[in-house]
Amino acid sequence: DAGVTQSPTHLIKTRGQQVTLRCSPKSGHDTVSWYQQALGQGPQFIFQYYEEEERQRGNFPDRFSGHQFPNYSSELNVNALLLGDSALYLCASSPTGAPNTEAFFGQGTRLTVV
Amino acid sequence: KQEVTQIPAALSVPEGENLVLNCSFTDSAIYNLQWFRQDPGKGLTSLLLIQSSQREQTSGRLNASLDKSSGRSTLYIAASQPGDSATYLCAVNTGFQKLVFGTGTRLLVSP
Repeated sequence: DAGVTQSPTHLIKTRGQQVTLRCSPKSGHDTVSWYQQALGQGPQFIFQYYEEEERQRGNFPDRFSGHQFPNYSSELNVNALLLGDSALYLCASSPTGAPNTEAFFGQGTRLTVV
Repeated sequence: KQEVTQIPAALSVPEGENLVLNCSFTDSAIYNLQWFRQDPGKGLTSLLLIQSSQREQTSGRLNASLDKSSGRSTLYIAASQPGDSATYLCAVNTGFQKLVFGTGTRLLVSP
């Protein structure tokens, strides 16, 4: 079992550009959540996808959008990048059903906006 | 709004000590609580999951307790080792794995 995999591991973008991050969930999981972790802070919930739709959303602007594919993999898109978007972006997956199942995280994508 | 606080923010101990990390949350309406370990620049590794109906969970040298009514959890690490050096994060599940995290405790165990 490969666990949760994210790509790329690192990338550098220029302010104003757009970026797409990718996540493949753990085998058997169909729910994908995205988090942003600024340096020295705890992760902040961005949104969650289930059955190819956004099920929950945190307090992030519309510049942050996502998608889930039929194979449960997911993308996070950020438009009009700001310097403050520099962070570690984490993807978590969990199995369907009950609201109290365990979340498993990937290794993250380090985004630097210059 | 759920808020999670972790104390202390940083901790430095010599190898072999037993230690306790604290986590508090403001809203007791949680489904479960997870403790994670994070190495610098890396992702999160799940250590222990305590369901809201449980009082504690154990895994090896780690023991986590949960007192939902008082909004508190502790992570106990026995006989600490240099390899335990990392940041420890607690997170409460507010429903369908929407996690609210604390800012973490940065642990350094010296040989």
